[in-house]
Amino acid sequence: AQSVSQHNHHVILSEAASLELGCNYSYGGTVNLFWYVQYPGQHLQLLLKYFSGDPLVKGIKGFEAEFIKSKFSFNLRKPSVQWSDTAEYFCAVILDSNYQLIWGAGTKLIIKP
Amino acid sequence: DTEVTQTPKHLVMGMTNKKSLKCEQHMGHRAMYWYKQKAKKPPELMFVYSYEKLSINESVPSRFSPECPNSSLLNLHLHALQPEDSALYLCASSQAGQGGNYGYTFGSGTRLTVV
Repeated sequence: AQSVSQHNHHVILSEAASLELGCNYSYGGTVNLFWYVQYPGQHLQLLLKYFSGDPLVKGIKGFEAEFIKSKFSFNLRKPSVQWSDTAEYFCAVILDSNYQLIWGAGTKLIIKP
Repeated sequence: DTEVTQTPKHLVMGMTNKKSLKCEQHMGHRAMYWYKQKAKKPPELMFVYSYEKLSINESVPSRFSPECPNSSLLNLHLHALQPEDSALYLCASSQAGQGGNYGYTFGSGTRLTVV
């Protein structure tokens, strides 16, 4: 079955550190890729998405992600994190322009001030 | 208007109560979704409506009953719930058949507590 793996369930960083959250999926066909963020007590917000074209995607709040097809990966990066980036981050995939989002388990990011 | 609006934001109900959750969007999206999210977990798909017709029911118990009265509204009727149904219920919408091409817009959710 198709799946999405987020390898790190908890990540703790200090402010100004660089961030990379891993996301891998298992599917050989066409995929659309998303990163969502959920701040404490708030709803899901789309950080960025990849459909086609340039595999390096820039999103909101200084986040970016790179789609590496050969590695089935879509890792999220930010050069310098802030305390306000503390949140749960979910990677998600849609297969072949289907409806259904397939979600990773999420990564809880804690930024120490 | 680029939002999905959900009401109420919080709901506490007894196991014998009947209540409804409401979701509204005015983006012209013709696909709407109900998700259930437990703490620290990703959302779980419950129902998908496409052009006001139920297209996916992910084996959800009958105590949850969805309704799509028109292209802008989506309801979730609740009856005889169990305490384990307590969760954040999220509504989302997308271009129909193109969830992948445009992504979803999520509402802020209804925090449901069953006592």
